[in-house]
Amino acid sequence: GESVGLHLPTLSVQEGDNSIINCAYSNSASDYFIWYKQESGKGPQFIIDIRSNMDKRQGQRVTVLLNKTVKHLSLQIAATQPGDSAVYFCAGLTGGGNKLTFGTGTQLKVEL
Amino acid sequence: GAVVSQHPSRVICKSGTSVKIECRSLDFQATTMFWYRQFPKQSLMLMATSNEGSKATYEQGVEKDKFLINHASLTLSTLTVTSAHPEDSSFYICSAARQGYEQYFGPGTRLTVT
Repeated sequence: GESVGLHLPTLSVQEGDNSIINCAYSNSASDYFIWYKQESGKGPQFIIDIRSNMDKRQGQRVTVLLNKTVKHLSLQIAATQPGDSAVYFCAGLTGGGNKLTFGTGTQLKVEL
Repeated sequence: GAVVSQHPSRVICKSGTSVKIECRSLDFQATTMFWYRQFPKQSLMLMATSNEGSKATYEQGVEKDKFLINHASLTLSTLTVTSAHPEDSSFYICSAARQGYEQYFGPGTRLTVT
């Protein structure tokens, strides 16, 4: 089945720097990916999504890159702010179904 | 739009009792609702998928007789943890989906079984 994992459990960045959070997936049939932000004690919050027919998508201060060749996606956060401190999860969807598989999560810590 | 609520946000119960958690889509009708479980510093694990008016589909390893799911309407799903034990203590999160892929997540319910 699908498994979605992350390379690093914790990422520390200075305020104002750019953050890059990585995610690897195993199922080449995965066709839709979402990045979520989860603050402590809260539910996941949608950040940005990307379909498998795209390799890049930009939002406000965030960019998601998808490399299907190596089955890797990344979330880039520009000018990281203290409010960006949270756990970030990638999640994947496969084959037109509606079940999301979540990665293990990366804790982003923003240092002042 | 697309707000999902959960009630209660926190609950403490004694071992052996049952606890009901509600998940509501406040401003849209959800064709499907999902229940997840999350242990500290871990990811979300899907427990079950429910469609309004039909039986829930449980993921492998999730006891359907212990985690009862009722999806009585397009805006309400409930999860009942029966005969709760300390190992059931966790953060339970629901999500609701309209047509299409996007799931909207609730704020979660922290269950502590003593």
